[in-house]
Amino acid sequence: GAVVSQHPSRVICKSGTSVKIECRSLDFQATTMFWYRQFPKQSLMLMATSNEGSKATYEQGVEKDKFLINHASLTLSTLTVTSAHPEDSSFYICSARSDRGESGELFFGEGSRLTVL
Amino acid sequence: GQNIDQPTEMTATEGAIVQINCTYQTSGFNGLFWYQQHAGEAPTFLSYNVLDGLEEKGRFSSFLSRSKGYSYLLLKELQMKDSASYLCAVMDSNYQLIWGAGTKLIIKP
Repeated sequence: GAVVSQHPSRVICKSGTSVKIECRSLDFQATTMFWYRQFPKQSLMLMATSNEGSKATYEQGVEKDKFLINHASLTLSTLTVTSAHPEDSSFYICSARSDRGESGELFFGEGSRLTVL
Repeated sequence: GQNIDQPTEMTATEGAIVQINCTYQTSGFNGLFWYQQHAGEAPTFLSYNVLDGLEEKGRFSSFLSRSKGYSYLLLKELQMKDSASYLCAVMDSNYQLIWGAGTKLIIKP
């Protein structure tokens, strides 16, 4: 099946610093990638839809200046958490839709666990 | 509003069968997905239903009734490794995925 790679898998940073998370589709092109956030024992929450070559579409309540998304190529999207604070600690997951998969099937990255001290 | 309901937690015995239900109310319907998620990991795709009926894939089967807004995931011959959360998600008319909160399945020996 299609592979989506996410890096880093775990990151610990100090409050006030910025952290970048990469999401790559390894064997297919992804015009659209999705970024989710998941708190313990809760469902995935869509943060934004990342579109190659254009601005990301953010869900209501998600600060676009805090969570910067760049989708510069058909195989790479990045999420930068700027000026991170402890409340930003969470599990961040990206996904991409492959045209080769079953209709609408999403492939997920491994997830990135962010801990802000 | 849009809503996906599934039980919070279920317990079953190794070797048995378990059915996880999902009911939904969404703006339009373009398919229903089931994903498996082990703790601390990203979800993995299990099944996709867009037409009514049963789709079987090995030990896992998924059923859909669009008129009832209802789906279930059936797991047979349960193994300890099946202990995970099972997420139901519906694609709405805008092709956005609406996620349920997930059902934590606990398998006992």
